[in-house]
Amino acid sequence: GEDVEQSLFLSVREGDSSVINCTYTDSSSTYLYWYKQEPGAGLQLLTYIFSNMDMKQDQRLTVLLNKKDKHLSLRIADTQTGDSAIYFCAESIRTGRRALTFGSGTRLQVQP
Amino acid sequence: AAGVIQSPRHLIKEKRETATLKCYPIPRHDTVYWYQQGPGQDPQFLISFYEKMQSDKGSIPDRFSAQQFSDYHSELNMSSLELGDSALYFCASSLRGTAYEQYFGPGTRLTVT
Repeated sequence: GEDVEQSLFLSVREGDSSVINCTYTDSSSTYLYWYKQEPGAGLQLLTYIFSNMDMKQDQRLTVLLNKKDKHLSLRIADTQTGDSAIYFCAESIRTGRRALTFGSGTRLQVQP
Repeated sequence: AAGVIQSPRHLIKEKRETATLKCYPIPRHDTVYWYQQGPGQDPQFLISFYEKMQSDKGSIPDRFSAQQFSDYHSELNMSSLELGDSALYFCASSLRGTAYEQYFGPGTRLTVT
């Protein structure tokens, strides 16, 4: 989506850390999300962060939010081949029922 | 844990035909969202329902309509299908109090020939 931007591709070696970046434009974003999509599969909610937080950690996943720069990142520690997928950043900008606006997705390729 | 169920998983239709996609939300979830994901694209929001009423509208063509029923399942009706409607259609559900947690179904892949 044009309001949420991501780099298209990232390649890392197994065991390394991966960092996927996202920028968004709407300062009224209240929640920011990371979804994972494997080939031919649905969207799996990985984690989300409320806009008044700077960081959220969940096992191997660390989300960092720089609200001033409107920058969101997802760090995957000890990346495994099973982490190979497309990762979508998304924002929720509307009050009420919170439709999501997605970025274009980053394809993560993990080399053994 | 129960997930969002969508049916059918795959659908092939010809141009100008109609299609109906169904979505069964996670039990106790009262809000349903529909998204369309074209080939190689990000999901685009179409429409959402809360307590059987339309709550938000995105880029849904006039040829499409949707509704939510008393058991909270939802149907997306698509008429006069065009080749460009070929896409993956996702349904997501959430509970009003936790509307920030949207859980997606596996999607219905619609192919229009």
